[in-house]
Amino acid sequence: AQSVTQLDSQVPVFEEAPVELRCNYSSSVSVYLFWYVQYPNQGLQLLLKYLSGSTLVKGINGFEAEFNKSQTSFHLRKPSVHISDTAEYFCAVRNDYKLSFGAGTTVTVRA
Amino acid sequence: NAGVTQTPKFRVLKTGQSMTLLCAQDMNHEYMYWYRQDPGMGLRLIHYSVGEGTTAKGEVPDGYNVSRLKKQNFLLGLESAAPSQTSVYFCASSYPTGGNSPLHFGNGTRLTVT
Repeated sequence: AQSVTQLDSQVPVFEEAPVELRCNYSSSVSVYLFWYVQYPNQGLQLLLKYLSGSTLVKGINGFEAEFNKSQTSFHLRKPSVHISDTAEYFCAVRNDYKLSFGAGTTVTVRA
Repeated sequence: NAGVTQTPKFRVLKTGQSMTLLCAQDMNHEYMYWYRQDPGMGLRLIHYSVGEGTTAKGEVPDGYNVSRLKKQNFLLGLESAAPSQTSVYFCASSYPTGGNSPLHFGNGTRLTVT
């Protein structure tokens, strides 16, 4: 069985400040890890994915995430956020057909 | 380049009514999924399909049925709607490349059951 825990449900942050969203996962087999973003009233869009290789993964819109196998974590970071980054962010783990999501982290960027 | 299209976008049902949500994808994906999204619970898998003519249960299948008669379409049915089924429903599709292929999502259907 696999599961995902997002450690923060809400993250308020000021514009141009850095942000980190924490994600821990558990799985008995090798997994693939993803971060998705959901803007208000929209579907989910892929931000980035970790499949293998380098543990630092870069995605769209200046986001990056680091895979840490020993800590079973896949934290998402951005060094300087914009108002447009206000959204809900989901960490997900995939094994074959099944993609399991965390509960989501709502990021609110304020001027 | 439509991707994944869901219809309808919004729907209000009375308890006991039935309806079908339609998902269509134009990317020739083998795998298709139905998720529901509820506040604080992320997305939970209702049913999925690994190919035309095949379906399987996910985490929360009770009260729902699905069909995949054509590769590009995946239907989600509610035979007798209940208030607990008030949710936002998302369809997704992907290639079956051993799990490393990301899912592509539709924009969702917001369903209210009164």
